[in-house]
Amino acid sequence: GESVGLHLPTLSVQEGDNSIINCAYSNSASDYFIWYKQESGKGPQFIIDIRSNMDKRQGQRVTVLLNKTVKHLSLQIAATQPGDSAVYFCAENLSGGTSYGKLTFGQGTILTVHP
Amino acid sequence: NAGVTQTPKFQVLKTGQSMTLQCAQDMNHEYMSWYRQDPGMGLRLIHYSVGAGITDQGEVPNGYNVSRSTTEDFPLRLLSAAPSQTSVYFCASSWGVADTQYFGPGTRLTVL
Repeated sequence: GESVGLHLPTLSVQEGDNSIINCAYSNSASDYFIWYKQESGKGPQFIIDIRSNMDKRQGQRVTVLLNKTVKHLSLQIAATQPGDSAVYFCAENLSGGTSYGKLTFGQGTILTVHP
Repeated sequence: NAGVTQTPKFQVLKTGQSMTLQCAQDMNHEYMSWYRQDPGMGLRLIHYSVGAGITDQGEVPNGYNVSRSTTEDFPLRLLSAAPSQTSVYFCASSWGVADTQYFGPGTRLTVL
């Protein structure tokens, strides 16, 4: 789950390797999950999403896996490139009830890709 | 489409001053929201709106006001700025609350 602090988790990989970024979400009732990429000085950019009725979804070079049993989300990036270097955030959303419309972000992971 | 735009990009305020951060989107999205991002942390929801004339509080609403008189605009007002409001502010919009949110470039605010 989220932790409060100034030090984000980091992941360093070599160009061409596959990257796996993990996220533990907090609300077992959340039914929509999104991965965002944030480059320095920019706003978060949508990468891929998944709804709770799925456990895997693939995009271009990216795959999101959802394990609702342990409330875990992962983002896999294939053939990581230097342009993938950024902070990656997972976010959870509950589309009903009192949390309607409230997107909750995780702390973020810094991905550094070395040429 | 310009997407989500925010002004200003940078702002410095003195404690006690008030100001309005502007946010506009041209995608005809119903849902808009404001977040703040502090160093080493994810984004925290301040206020959100599910449509014109409707707003609600998020996780950290104290010290901020919003209004939604049109679909396109969702300004965030700081009533009396405090150093604790030094942060980067992001506006986002989406078709609906359970749809992908698209973010603006952010406003970096410093309160002295």
